[in-house]
Amino acid sequence: EAGVVQSPRYKIIEKKQPVAFWCNPISGHNTLYWYLQNLGQGPELLIRYENEEAVDDSQLPKDRFSAERLKGVDSTLKIQPAELGDSAVYLCASSFTGKNTEAFFGQGTRLTVV
Amino acid sequence: AQSVSQHNHHVILSEAASLELGCNYSYGGTVNLFWYVQYPGQHLQLLLKYFSGDPLVKGIKGFEAEFIKSKFSFNLRKPSVQWSDTAEYFCAVNGNTDKLIFGTGTRLQVFP
Repeated sequence: EAGVVQSPRYKIIEKKQPVAFWCNPISGHNTLYWYLQNLGQGPELLIRYENEEAVDDSQLPKDRFSAERLKGVDSTLKIQPAELGDSAVYLCASSFTGKNTEAFFGQGTRLTVV
Repeated sequence: AQSVSQHNHHVILSEAASLELGCNYSYGGTVNLFWYVQYPGQHLQLLLKYFSGDPLVKGIKGFEAEFIKSKFSFNLRKPSVQWSDTAEYFCAVNGNTDKLIFGTGTRLQVFP
């Protein structure tokens, strides 16, 4: 069974440029998460989807970050414009809906803004 | 609000030593608890989880954790570590929502 697939694995961009990350969750998982992981820190939730609805986006900096999950499967996270402080690993995870479930993580996209 | 504390930021052990990593959470209601591991260059993987029942949970690769409700703790243990256990370990909790909150992680280095 394929796991959570993210692309690209690495991205280097200049500040003020836009960037997008893509995630394909595990088949059948209705819940999709985007997390941000800074060096030496634990993952921090940016947004959580139940199917195509964003049910928790309270930690998403909406002035420059946006996300979508149009058909309730794949998701895209965008930053426009990127800032130096956005350099981090962006993780996507998915799970079945409900409390007693575990989240499965992708490899992440390591973003470097120069 | 939920939060998770991992007090050991960096642990260095020799092979065959015993391991215990601390995890404390703050949340007054029913919780689900997790330990995830991230090996160098790999993605986060689930080591073990607690939803309900026996508070002593056994996971993969000989790891176990004990949920002590009165102490709001979920410490990770392994009686004898191996070099291959070198990784970063994250404790995580979710309360009454599906919001999974992570601790800051503990970096474990095991030397042969």
